[in-house]
Amino acid sequence: NAGVTQTPKFQVLKTGQSMTLQCAQDMNHNSMYWYRQDPGMGLRLIYYSASEGTTDKGEVPNGYNVSRLNKREFSLRLESAAPSQTSVYFCASSTDRNTEAFFGQGTRLTVV
Amino acid sequence: GQQLNQNPQSMFIQEGEDVSMNCTSSSIFNTWLWYKQDPGEGPVLLIALYKAGELTSNGRLTAQFGITRKDSFLNISASIPSDVGIYFCAGHPRGGAQKLVFGQGTRLTINP
Repeated sequence: NAGVTQTPKFQVLKTGQSMTLQCAQDMNHNSMYWYRQDPGMGLRLIYYSASEGTTDKGEVPNGYNVSRLNKREFSLRLESAAPSQTSVYFCASSTDRNTEAFFGQGTRLTVV
Repeated sequence: GQQLNQNPQSMFIQEGEDVSMNCTSSSIFNTWLWYKQDPGEGPVLLIALYKAGELTSNGRLTAQFGITRKDSFLNISASIPSDVGIYFCAGHPRGGAQKLVFGQGTRLTINP
């Protein structure tokens, strides 16, 4: 039971570089989410996808783009990384609206 | 708005003591969820609540969905060392589509 799988687990980027964080779930869930976690600030929603083919902005979408490639995969892209995007990123998925979400192990990103 | 205020932000207790934490909002929520996060890991679901007034237990943990639908609490009885970690409340706000928002977390430290 893999659940929610994120890659990579760790990444260091230089300012201005781009990269894509990958997320895949094997639970046949409809909804998927991307969060960032900074010390003392809990988890803040970046983008979410209620179903395949749809995406919506969360609380902190600026500087990010997402793609819901298919039902299993939801990727997060940083086009031009900035030090303020240094954070731990979590992907999550849930079966439908108003249900519990299950999380991946996280990607620790450092932008220097 | 749809912000969740979680209290307390941190707790220092003796092993064996009971713990209580809560989450409040000015908005109505359709779902309340409680998660625990260990260092270097993603949040893990502890309890999910779906109806106003619902009281649910999971071992030594008990959580309730407030009657007003604007709050929830989590109690841990007879704490043990493995309860150490960060506890998050989360919820789906009414009218918030698929959004799942989080509180700031309660860091629990236990002195043996």
